[in-house]
Amino acid sequence: EAQVTQNPRYLITVTGKKLTVTCSQNMNHEYMSWYRQDPGLGLRQIYYSMNVEVTDKGDVPEGYKVSRKEKRNFPLILESPSPNQTSLYFCASSLILASSSYNEQFFGPGTRLTVL
Amino acid sequence: GIQVEQSPPDLILQEGANSTLRCNFSDSVNNLQWFHQNPWGQLINLFYIPSGTKQNGRLSATTVATERYSLLYISSSQTTDSGVYFCAVASFSGTYKYIFGTGTRLKVLA
Repeated sequence: EAQVTQNPRYLITVTGKKLTVTCSQNMNHEYMSWYRQDPGLGLRQIYYSMNVEVTDKGDVPEGYKVSRKEKRNFPLILESPSPNQTSLYFCASSLILASSSYNEQFFGPGTRLTVL
Repeated sequence: GIQVEQSPPDLILQEGANSTLRCNFSDSVNNLQWFHQNPWGQLINLFYIPSGTKQNGRLSATTVATERYSLLYISSSQTTDSGVYFCAVASFSGTYKYIFGTGTRLKVLA
């Protein structure tokens, strides 16, 4: 089954304790991205990756790191989490065609993070 | 950057009613998608529609790219249609960023 998976689905942690949220897709997509969702603000893009070893900032990258060492995986790293990073996080992936004629994004199930 | 506005922000319908949700965007886009976020938080793809018209069952969507808006039509609404509807756009000129609207919260009453 074609899908985007995220782990963990729920996480409660404390300020300053480094954590990693994993994201994996099995659709051979070049493009992968992380979003956070906060009440009243919709989804905002944190980082995206066009392919292996190619990453770029979205609109809210502060406090986050990413890496893309393999095509299928795109982990999100919080080196020193703070309470304002409490949010619902989504990973997504899509093809990137040269003609940009079909770049539908597919989303993972979400990770609900609470930083105390 | 591109601004995305969705309207109305909230909508309450009786089961069986029809509705139209709107997404306005401030610049030309290469990519536009509609999503439904169900009460459990899942994001469900509805339409990939940077231009033109598509239909899927009771749902249809139209994007008029030259006038920078998209419409999502829901006919004969059901309680399972409840949730939040988002549109998301991207303009692949220099960056590949996606911008989401703040959504339309729909509640369908039995």
